[in-house]
Amino acid sequence: RKEVEQDPGPFNVPEGATVAFNCTYSNSASQSFFWYRQDCRKEPKLLMSVYSSGNEDGRFTAQLNRASQYISLLIRDSKLSDSATYLCVVISTSGTYKYIFGTGTRLKVLA
Amino acid sequence: NAGVTQTPKFQVLKTGQSMTLQCAQDMNHEYMSWYRQDPGMGLRLIHYSVGAGITDQGEVPNGYNVSRSTTEDFPLRLLSAAPSQTSVYFCASRPPGTVATGYTFGSGTRLTVV
Repeated sequence: RKEVEQDPGPFNVPEGATVAFNCTYSNSASQSFFWYRQDCRKEPKLLMSVYSSGNEDGRFTAQLNRASQYISLLIRDSKLSDSATYLCVVISTSGTYKYIFGTGTRLKVLA
Repeated sequence: NAGVTQTPKFQVLKTGQSMTLQCAQDMNHEYMSWYRQDPGMGLRLIHYSVGAGITDQGEVPNGYNVSRSTTEDFPLRLLSAAPSQTSVYFCASRPPGTVATGYTFGSGTRLTVV
């Protein structure tokens, strides 16, 4: 089993729709989590951290479910510009921080 | 601030050639890492450094060397290029701390080995 798993998609949604992605992780000792956005042929860019209590940044909401070992990203009122690949990152501590990147979920927002 | 700067952006090598991918950051970040990204594989850690003079191997270090003589620079050397090293390479940096922080990535180097 991979340490971090994401549905590769693509998720094709119309403009204005709400879409959610999950990312599951296998190491219960994982401590920190992030969502990154990666546009085609570009570098990953930090979208938001994921906190235990859940956190929101505008149209984006990130949540953590430690019991089931997954994090989620919810995008409300999707825009064409949200089309990208969304990578989850799971960090565990074993001496130094170990950052494990998921392979990403591709989102296409359609006009 | 330029952030993390990588050069070159594109490179084609012949099998057996060597080259150095350059990475520089101006954010005074202690931690720097090199990743490669291949389709369906996600980002995989090649080498990383927690400060000047300190480097360590990541998940896929074979065929690559690094050095960290200054806080700003973290070059990646391909010793003898192989087609399996065709990939997109990203350099990334982050500040140290007891709380994990997100990496800032450079724009990447697209390497093709023929």
